[in-house]
Amino acid sequence: NAGVMQNPRHLVRRRGQEARLRCSPMKGHSHVYWYRQLPEEGLKFMVYLQKENIIDESGMPKERFSAEFPKEGPSILRIQQVVRGDSAAYFCASSPGVTSDEKLFFGSGTQLSVL
Amino acid sequence: GENVEQHPSTLSVQEGDSAVIKCTYSDSASNYFPWYKQELGKRPQLIIDIRSNVGEKKDQRIAVTLNKTAKHFSLHITETQPEDSAVYFCAASAGGTSYGKLTFGQGTILTVHP
Repeated sequence: NAGVMQNPRHLVRRRGQEARLRCSPMKGHSHVYWYRQLPEEGLKFMVYLQKENIIDESGMPKERFSAEFPKEGPSILRIQQVVRGDSAAYFCASSPGVTSDEKLFFGSGTQLSVL
Repeated sequence: GENVEQHPSTLSVQEGDSAVIKCTYSDSASNYFPWYKQELGKRPQLIIDIRSNVGEKKDQRIAVTLNKTAKHFSLHITETQPEDSAVYFCAASAGGTSYGKLTFGQGTILTVHP
């Protein structure tokens, strides 16, 4: 089991460009969570998705940010018209479902740098 | 929403000493409390977790205690080693369908001196 895979590891964008971050969950996992970590801060929840559904997007900025988890393929976090304040590490985590004994395992993250 | 406070922000100990990191939470509905270790530039790694139906859990040199009445939980590392040096984060969630929606503390930078 390769674990949660994220790519790219590093992404550099100029202000106004689009950033697309990918997350492939662990095999057998159908739930994905995205978190953002600003320098020297804790992780902040952004969005929770299941296959083809957004379950909770209460942590997502209202504009420019969107997320999807299609039936086939990885989950995508998309940031349009990036600004310098979007520079951060973006982590995703996956789980097989919702039970009383589940744990959350994180991918290695994508470090987004906006010039 | 939930708010998690973590102390201290930095902790320096000598190898072999114990280290204690404390967290408080605000939402009485929270019932799942994991701890993550993050090395520089790496992913957060789950090191131990506790659910509200127990008061203490231990795994080798690491233990976590939970006081639901006071809404605080603590991480205890005994016989610290230099490789324990990292940033440690506590977190809380309401479990159930929200279990993966974690609210993290601000982190504690632990340095273990040889």
